[in-house]
Amino acid sequence: DQQVKQNSPSLSVQEGRISILNCDYTNSMFDYFLWYKKYPAEGPTFLISISSIKDKNEDGRFTVFLNKSAKHLSLHIVPSQPGDSAVYFCAATKGDYGGSQGNLIFGKGTKLSVKP
Amino acid sequence: DTGVSQNPRHKITKRGQNVTFRCDPISEHNRLYWYRQTLGQGPEFLTYFQNEAQLEKSRLLSDRFSAERPKGSFSTLEIQRTEQGDSAMYLCASSLNPGLAGGKYEQYFGPGTRLTVT
Repeated sequence: DQQVKQNSPSLSVQEGRISILNCDYTNSMFDYFLWYKKYPAEGPTFLISISSIKDKNEDGRFTVFLNKSAKHLSLHIVPSQPGDSAVYFCAATKGDYGGSQGNLIFGKGTKLSVKP
Repeated sequence: DTGVSQNPRHKITKRGQNVTFRCDPISEHNRLYWYRQTLGQGPEFLTYFQNEAQLEKSRLLSDRFSAERPKGSFSTLEIQRTEQGDSAMYLCASSLNPGLAGGKYEQYFGPGTRLTVT
């Protein structure tokens, strides 16, 4: 049973346009969410996070939106750049108070291609 | 560079052999995690240390796997009697306690060790 789902394996976007990556989760005990970017042969790189007490967090070109009632979050990248081409992973944790000691549950990833 | 480092980066071994991987976390981080990633999947949690104590192990961690963090600094992950199904990328990550990190749970990953069992 997959608790974090990224239903789009791939996404192609034109440079300068908006990229929207989606993520759904099933466990209502998740209270902290993160996005990571991964290039081939490298470890995941932290991008941006959001606590369940917020519905939006912004960092430069990256914005994460959280809809708790729908158990859905999305990552917006504006404007998209060719260097953003990578696999993006959504992750969630129940945090220390959910008994998980902060370990992360990941989706399967979405491969973003930004075309010049 | 003060990021997470892992060695070796690549390991090819024959089935039945033992292998050991090393992870050096960010120096001020007291939490250390091991994950495994296979093709087409996201990283899957294996085990977690707070300082030198191993506090949680996933059901994925069979008894052929053992991890240590002897002085609360670097960690090793050993796989005994390797099987072809152990072929994967093994990732290490470190973090601060959320109480020291403003309630944040960000983990910082190393480059991984790619294991191929032939």
